[in-house]
Amino acid sequence: DVKVTQSSRYLVKRTGEKVFLECVQDMDHENMFWYRQDPGLGLRLIYFSYDVKMKEKGDIPEGYSVSREKKERFSLILESASTNQTSMYLCASSFQLRLAGGPETQYFGPGTRLLVL
Amino acid sequence: TQLLEQSPQFLSIQEGENLTVYCNSSSVFSSLQWYRQEPGEGPVLLVTVVTGGEVKKLKRLTFQFGDARKDSSLHITAAQPGDTGLYLCAGASGTYKYIFGTGTRLKVLA
Repeated sequence: DVKVTQSSRYLVKRTGEKVFLECVQDMDHENMFWYRQDPGLGLRLIYFSYDVKMKEKGDIPEGYSVSREKKERFSLILESASTNQTSMYLCASSFQLRLAGGPETQYFGPGTRLLVL
Repeated sequence: TQLLEQSPQFLSIQEGENLTVYCNSSSVFSSLQWYRQEPGEGPVLLVTVVTGGEVKKLKRLTFQFGDARKDSSLHITAAQPGDTGLYLCAGASGTYKYIFGTGTRLKVLA
């Protein structure tokens, strides 16, 4: 079974703190994703990585950065946490880039609920 | 900007009832996925539809992709409390990106 784990289920931080969210997958997937989930907005893509040290911005990258030094690990960094970054953060992974018209399955971790005070 | 609107946003029904959830967009998608998310967990893939007009069945769940590949529906027959959760549709956009819908929160009462 594919397993995607996230370092924390719940996190409380202060405004201005630097926050690290870690994600690890055990299926040798090339692709890894970070999303945030807010009520009524669905999931919004923050960053995507298709290989080690490779990253691409998603829809809402402002205020975030990412790091992928090893294939199995993808980290999301909040450089200076703000209250509007309070949210549920979901990590996902999948095999290879999608072939034309051919979808791949994204496997999600359990999420990290972050509260910024 | 591509958007996926889901309706209804909330649904509370009695066990045994039928229901349909809709996922609509003005954009064309090469494929569309449906996920279910239970409290405290990440979304889990239920189905992927690729061809316009395609219908897929998963036990009591029936998924349909619109002919123009802009919309989709999920129909549940004889809902059970175990069907409770957040249902999300996601349309494939570009080479790697998915656009997620706004979600439908379903509660099935015993």
